[in-house]
Amino acid sequence: GENVEQHPSTLSVQEGDSAVIKCTYSDSASNYFPWYKQELGKRPQLIIDIRSNVGEKKDQRIAVTLNKTAKHFSLHITETQPEDSAVYFCAASRDFNKFYFGSGTKLNVKP
Amino acid sequence: DAGVIQSPRHEVTEMGQEVTLRCKPISGHNSLFWYRQTMMRGLELLIYFNNNVPIDDSGMPEDRFSAKMPNASFSTLKIQPSEPRDSAVYFCASSTAGPLSYEQYFGPGTRLTVT
Repeated sequence: GENVEQHPSTLSVQEGDSAVIKCTYSDSASNYFPWYKQELGKRPQLIIDIRSNVGEKKDQRIAVTLNKTAKHFSLHITETQPEDSAVYFCAASRDFNKFYFGSGTKLNVKP
Repeated sequence: DAGVIQSPRHEVTEMGQEVTLRCKPISGHNSLFWYRQTMMRGLELLIYFNNNVPIDDSGMPEDRFSAKMPNASFSTLKIQPSEPRDSAVYFCASSTAGPLSYEQYFGPGTRLTVT
């Protein structure tokens, strides 16, 4: 099956700085890569996703890049704000249903 | 829409007891997923249904776990007998499974503690 590795496990940045979270996957057939944000004690919520036919996607302060050859994808958050503090999960899927999640990155944005 | 509804929100039970978790997906969604989240193992897919039919249950830990979806608006995850290592947050999620969106909408979760 798919194996998704996520780094770093924790990330601390100053408010206004950028944050980058990286994931690698093992199954070359994976074609869908969502990112979920989970605030403390809350449910995971989708923040952005990308399909394998696209190399980059942006939505305001967040962006995701995908390198199919290297089998890695990254989440970029610019101009971080305290409300960005949460755990972020990447995932990979080959059938748009079965998601394999990374282990999560705890992002702390210091005011 | 109320979103995905799960009950109970918290469950504390003793080892050996039967536990039943319940989920109501978002109306119109045809795929339903059960996940387990722990610090050690992260977020794991246990089973998912499409149009009420179980499609992949390879994530179900063992025979003590079973899931059903008798209709489009209700699903259960049962653990019998429960063990302390089953303590976790169990999430139910639903989706329309494309093609415009593959987003899985998660419920609030059930925090299960087995003593």
